[in-house]
Amino acid sequence: QSVLTQPPSVSGAPGQRVTISCTGSSSNIGAGYDVHWYQQVPGTAPKLLIYENTNRPSGVPDRFSGSKSGTSASLAITGLQAEDEADYYCQSYDTSLSGSRIFGGGTKLTVL
Amino acid sequence: QMQLQESGPGLVKPSETLSLSCSVSGGSISSTTSYWGWIRQPPGKGLEWIASIYYSGTTHTYYNPSFKSRVTMSVDSSKNQFSLKLNSVTAADTAVYYCARSTGKYWGGNWFDPWGQGTLVTGSS
Repeated sequence: QSVLTQPPSVSGAPGQRVTISCTGSSSNIGAGYDVHWYQQVPGTAPKLLIYENTNRPSGVPDRFSGSKSGTSASLAITGLQAEDEADYYCQSYDTSLSGSRIFGGGTKLTVL
Repeated sequence: QMQLQESGPGLVKPSETLSLSCSVSGGSISSTTSYWGWIRQPPGKGLEWIASIYYSGTTHTYYNPSFKSRVTMSVDSSKNQFSLKLNSVTAADTAVYYCARSTGKYWGGNWFDPWGQGTLVTGSS
């Protein structure tokens, strides 16, 4: 059971918009710690997608955006493309776990 | 562009010690803005942070409490490498092990980038 909760799966048709939620608590996201997002295509290493809640590394399309409010964060993907089909993970920090980096359980995005 | 590459045995017998190294190229292991970490992913499951180390004039190690009694990280600055040792391995330690750099404005806000390609380690006799 992950400390950060994500939906196991989401889906959308090409061109549509999908969002992936990441729900934490007062000891992590709610305490003000930043949330970061990773994309993992099956068989490959995770790739940084969003850092510090809303920032995109260079090379990441602006179709990807992040937000954070209270004890939750969200990743939004607009203009869905077939290449977006992957697993997505959120990551933060938890003060109740002796300085642990924590990951969400991951969300499988299927492009219909 | 920074790159990381894991190396080590792909098979570890139960009760023995898993030892992995991560070679860093395109950047210094002694960077003041970098932490170096290990993350693992059991087959078909999610990501789990194991440990991180900071090596720049002083050394600080950070361990996931779930592993704390079994894990050790260290740095070999002459080789620009860092390593992981996980003892008392069981089948439950079977996973792809990734090394990664983490950075950010503060320790609690760090993110992981870049990642190594990962190496599968199987705990089995």
